[in-house]
Amino acid sequence: DIQMTQSPSSVSASVGDRVTITCRASQGISTWLAWYQQKPGKAPKRLIYAISSLQSGVPSRFSGSGSGTDFTLTISSLQPEDSATYYCQQANSFPYTFGQGTKLEIK
Amino acid sequence: QVQLQESGPGLVKPSETLSLTCTVSGGSISSYYWSWIRQPAGKGLEWIGRINTSGGTNYSPSLRSRVTMSVDTSKNQFSLKLSSVTAADTAVYYCASHGGTPWYGMDVWGQGTTVTVSS
Repeated sequence: DIQMTQSPSSVSASVGDRVTITCRASQGISTWLAWYQQKPGKAPKRLIYAISSLQSGVPSRFSGSGSGTDFTLTISSLQPEDSATYYCQQANSFPYTFGQGTKLEIK
Repeated sequence: QVQLQESGPGLVKPSETLSLTCTVSGGSISSYYWSWIRQPAGKGLEWIGRINTSGGTNYSPSLRSRVTMSVDTSKNQFSLKLSSVTAADTAVYYCASHGGTPWYGMDVWGQGTTVTVSS
């Protein structure tokens, strides 16, 4: 199985801050990486697919980058509604695997 | 826009079989890929398996011996069966769509259904 490791596990930041979450795969996953946002009691919502493609309707302050085994989700200017847990997921090979999640809190 | 809704018993006894159905509305189930994912309370996401509308399946190795997925295109539904459940199978279960591009992850999710394994 491909292991996905996210860092940090939690982060606290202020409105307007730039926030970066990283995801490392235990082996190369080509471009098949997605990012999800999950708010308490809700289903995950896809933000980014294929490393850097923005899901329709997702604010442009969210962006993804990376290659090979190292990937990044960036929120350019944090908003109160961005408080959530974020997960990366690889779809390069079975079984699909998720990172352990990064909990983002607003100061 | 496709919408998904999970349904099934919220309580299952240990050693019995968990059965869930996902109903697809707002679009056809055909030519797409569909997954089940679960999330124990307070924990992360675990992918269970994927099915296409030809009936082709891929399961997580950790659950493969207990999982069966099926699709009913006439009802626009797909299903999950997990046998010999234990308390460790207690979780919120989500169905999700990959659209026509499974390597892009899951673009639409159901709201999730809570399944508790208890006698």
